[in-house]
Amino acid sequence: EAGVVQSPRYKIIEKKQPVAFWCNPISGHNTLYWYRQNLGQGPELLIRYENEEAVDDSQLPKDRFSAERLKGVDSTLKIQPAELGDSAVYLCASSLEGRGGIYGYTFGSGTRLTVV
Amino acid sequence: QKEVEQNSGPLSVPEGAIASLNCTYSDRGSQSFFWYRQYSGKSPELIMSIYSNGDKEDGRFTAQLNKASQYVSLLIRDSQPSDSATYLCAVNRAYGNKLVFGAGTILRVKS
Repeated sequence: EAGVVQSPRYKIIEKKQPVAFWCNPISGHNTLYWYRQNLGQGPELLIRYENEEAVDDSQLPKDRFSAERLKGVDSTLKIQPAELGDSAVYLCASSLEGRGGIYGYTFGSGTRLTVV
Repeated sequence: QKEVEQNSGPLSVPEGAIASLNCTYSDRGSQSFFWYRQYSGKSPELIMSIYSNGDKEDGRFTAQLNKASQYVSLLIRDSQPSDSATYLCAVNRAYGNKLVFGAGTILRVKS
């Protein structure tokens, strides 16, 4: 079984440029999470999807961040325009519907974003 | 006060010793607790989960939970250099299907 697949692995962009990250969850996992992990910190939730519905986006900086999961499978997280402070690792995770908080979830390999 | 707190370390132990990692949480209604291991440059990997007060053992790992004290710990017996990593404590809030993570404790096992 393939795990959570993310791309790209690394991205370097200049500030004010747009950037997008892609995630394909484990097959059959209805719940998808985007987390951001700053250096020396734990992951922080940006947005959670149940199928195609964003059910928790309270921590997503909506002025510059957007996300979509149109068909309830893969998802894209976008930043426009990027700022220096957005440099971090962006992690995607998935779980069976309603089970992430009970059984934990599986992370993808992450995208390391560097804004210069 | 952070929701999940961990000593950042580094915690240094000699090979073969017991490593003890600790975590406290603020939401008294939390029901599920997890330990993730994260190697440098890699993503977090789930290694233990615990739901009830007491101990849960899995190989060299033992998770301990004390809900009254809002305290979770992870013991690693016979520590190996390959155990050197950051250990993240994660807690599921009373409401909501999501995990809140601590900042992690760096563990270094010296051979």
